[in-house]
Amino acid sequence: LAKTTQPISMDSYEGQEVNITCSHNNIATNDYITWYQQFPSQGPRFIIQGYKTKVTNEVASLFIPADRKSSTLSLPRVSLSDTAVYYCLVSERGSGYSTLTFGKGTMLLVSP
Amino acid sequence: EPEVTQTPSHQVTQMGQEVILRCVPISNHLYFYWYRQILGQKVEFLVSFYNNEISEKSEIFDDQFSVERPDGSNFTLKIRSTKLEDSAMYFCASSATENSPLHFGNGTRLTVT
Repeated sequence: LAKTTQPISMDSYEGQEVNITCSHNNIATNDYITWYQQFPSQGPRFIIQGYKTKVTNEVASLFIPADRKSSTLSLPRVSLSDTAVYYCLVSERGSGYSTLTFGKGTMLLVSP
Repeated sequence: EPEVTQTPSHQVTQMGQEVILRCVPISNHLYFYWYRQILGQKVEFLVSFYNNEISEKSEIFDDQFSVERPDGSNFTLKIRSTKLEDSAMYFCASSATENSPLHFGNGTRLTVT
């Protein structure tokens, strides 16, 4: 399984764009990149998934460069309610999401 | 939006007792999972379940643990003889297909005294 590295914590203010970068230097050809969000005392919540280039949904954008050794989750105009832990995961499609391995994640603190 | 529901939200039990944690996955999902998170630590995979059998399990999922889908809607995790170190948040998750993202419930906080 590809190991991921992301910052332990980040601080931001309401209304700002937040970019959280994750490194996955040994990502394999069949691996996809998935981001989850977790609030205290709640289960992780799926945010976005991608394989290459850019993916956008109503919540976030995911930028993946051509070498796929890193990815950046972009949260536009964050609010206080975006304060949470964000996890970057790499998993092989077809092997079952039971192989999802959560790291320590990035604790994002949004202040007024 | 459909969601995974877990009961109870908090369970307190004495060491050595059996506990059953219950989950109702999203109705059209076919793949089911249990994860746990000890306070302040990472979310850890326990077991995955498909077609009425375990498809994968971690080394945490020893003989004290078992899972069951007793009917068409429930998915349960049983711990036969709880230990202090079993205290954690236990999350159930489900997915529609093997490749779909997981949808997690809000967990059961298990406290073993």
